[in-house]
Amino acid sequence: DIQMTQSPSSLSASVGDRVTITCRASQGISKFLAWFQQKPGKAPKSLIYAASSLQNGVPSKFSGSGSGTDFTLTISSLQPEDFATYYCQQYNSYPPTFGQGTKLEIK
Amino acid sequence: QITLKESGPTLVKPTQTLTLTCTFSGFSLSTSGVGVGWVRQPPGKALEWLALIYWDDDERYSPSLKSRLTITKDTPKNQVVLTMTNMDPVDTATYYCAHTRSDYGKYYFDYWGQGTLVTVSS
Repeated sequence: DIQMTQSPSSLSASVGDRVTITCRASQGISKFLAWFQQKPGKAPKSLIYAASSLQNGVPSKFSGSGSGTDFTLTISSLQPEDFATYYCQQYNSYPPTFGQGTKLEIK
Repeated sequence: QITLKESGPTLVKPTQTLTLTCTFSGFSLSTSGVGVGWVRQPPGKALEWLALIYWDDDERYSPSLKSRLTITKDTPKNQVVLTMTNMDPVDTATYYCAHTRSDYGKYYFDYWGQGTLVTVSS
């Protein structure tokens, strides 16, 4: 299985900040990476697919980049509703695997 | 508008078989390039991919759980069913179903159900 490692595991930031979360794959996955946002007690919400393509309805404050083994999710101008846990997932090969999550908290 | 909803027991006993149903609307599993998958999340832990079934009846399973899982579809009813045998307390989790879409032949989740919490306890 391909291992997905996110860093940091947790992150404190203030409203208005810009933050970046990193996801590293244990082997190359081309561009086949997705990002999800999950709030407590809620289902994941799809944000990005193909490393950098926004899902319909996702605001442009979210952006993704990377290919191969190293990927980033950047969130600009943080708002209270952005504080959540973020997961990356590779879907290049079976089984699709998720990162361990990055919890974004308000400073 | 694509929606999915999971249903099934909230409590199962160890060694029992779990059967979960995903009922969806807004798409058909007869459409080329479409699939429905299952993901679970133990309390306080990360997401874990379980299984997926495609429009063409192709089935994929997590290797670590393959011997315990079966995924089937009922296209006219717009349902996908996941069965997991020999349940154990470590299988306690929220189980999600999700719609998948093709990205150059690779499949990613775009719409998720609300999830259903399954507790395994005697």
